[in-house]
Amino acid sequence: DAGVIQSPRHEVTEMGQEVTLRCKPISGHDYLFWYRQTMMRGLELLIYFNNNVPIDDSGMPEDRFSAKMPNASFSTLKIQPSEPRDSAVYFCASSYLMTEAFFGQGTRLTVV
Amino acid sequence: AQSVTQPDIHITVSEGASLELRCNYSYGATPYLFWYVQSPGQGLQLLLKYFSGDTLVQGIKGFEAEFKRSQSSFNLRKPSVHWSDAAEYFCAVGARGNTPLVFGKGTRLSVIA
Repeated sequence: DAGVIQSPRHEVTEMGQEVTLRCKPISGHDYLFWYRQTMMRGLELLIYFNNNVPIDDSGMPEDRFSAKMPNASFSTLKIQPSEPRDSAVYFCASSYLMTEAFFGQGTRLTVV
Repeated sequence: AQSVTQPDIHITVSEGASLELRCNYSYGATPYLFWYVQSPGQGLQLLLKYFSGDTLVQGIKGFEAEFKRSQSSFNLRKPSVHWSDAAEYFCAVGARGNTPLVFGKGTRLSVIA
């Protein structure tokens, strides 16, 4: 397996634009997580899914953030409209039975 | 709710010296414990994990960690550090089928010649 695949690796966008981050989890994993990493706050869990169903989105900072998992092999995290304070590295991770999490390489988002 | 404390924000060690990174956790039941490493611009890579059994666990790259229930600790060790070990290290706590991993703030390791 190629591991968790995220795209794009880097995204630079202007304030107010819509941003969509993509993730392909490891095949056979039943949990998918979206994390955000910043210097100030470290790694924060935004939302996670079990068998494609959102379980806990309490970490999503605002209504501007939304996430979907239409099938077992694909998830998106969307920010609309984006703001400079959304600049961070966003990680997707997957796991089987909520054991160890396997992380993607991350998407570095810069909002100018 | 579970939490993880990594008391050291930044540690500098000489190449060849031994290393110990501290991790304390708070969790009401028997935890699953993990150490991850993150190199610059990369994702998090699992170094080792503890689920149950032997409290001393071996991981990749020559790392080991010891689970001490009485101290709520899971410290990471390496007998001889290499320059390539310079990275950010994260301790995490979780539980099977229960809640997602909670991560500490990380410890940045610098290695000097």
